[in-house]
Amino acid sequence: GAVVSQHPSRVICKSGTSVKIECRSLDFQATTMFWYRQFPKKSLMLMATSNEGSKATYEQGVEKDKFLINHASLTLSTLTVTSAHPEDSSFYICSAPSGESYEQYFGPGTRLTVT
Amino acid sequence: GIQVEQSPPDLILQEGANSTLRCNFSDSVNNLQWFHQNPWGQLINLFYIPSGTKQNGRLSATTVATERYSLLYISSSQTTDSGVYFCAVEQGNYQLIWGAGTKLIIKP
Repeated sequence: GAVVSQHPSRVICKSGTSVKIECRSLDFQATTMFWYRQFPKKSLMLMATSNEGSKATYEQGVEKDKFLINHASLTLSTLTVTSAHPEDSSFYICSAPSGESYEQYFGPGTRLTVT
Repeated sequence: GIQVEQSPPDLILQEGANSTLRCNFSDSVNNLQWFHQNPWGQLINLFYIPSGTKQNGRLSATTVATERYSLLYISSSQTTDSGVYFCAVEQGNYQLIWGAGTKLIIKP
């Protein structure tokens, strides 16, 4: 199956700093990628749809100025959490459809802790 | 919007037992996927199954699209099967709608 990587896997940062998370499709091109947030013992919550060559589409209630998304190429999307606060601490996961079908593949996730 | 319900929410079994997890959805779907989220958070694709039956080793899945449900079967459970199993559906725009998951614990 298709492979999606995320970096870093774990990050601890101080309140007020910004953190960048990378999502890469390793063996396929992805014009669309998705960013999710998962709270403990909960299901995944879609934050935004990342589109190569155009602006990201954010879900209702997600601050686009706080969670900056850039789909720089057909294999890379980045999520930047700006001016992070402790309430931004969470598990962030990206996904991408392989293009041959609607099947989606997920990165291993990034655990963000803001102190 | 479409609703996705999974049952049971929790399941505790002894190693070697069989189990059936259910996913009901409230509208027609283009895509249905089953995932296993391991204790480290990685989502592992189990099945892409908008309809029909598929098998992969000890796991199999059946989706009856006309009746809007899917079943995931796990036979001869192993402790490594523990984790959360999610069902997610998609209606044509690549956005997945998720169930709440079934937490499975396999005891040795």
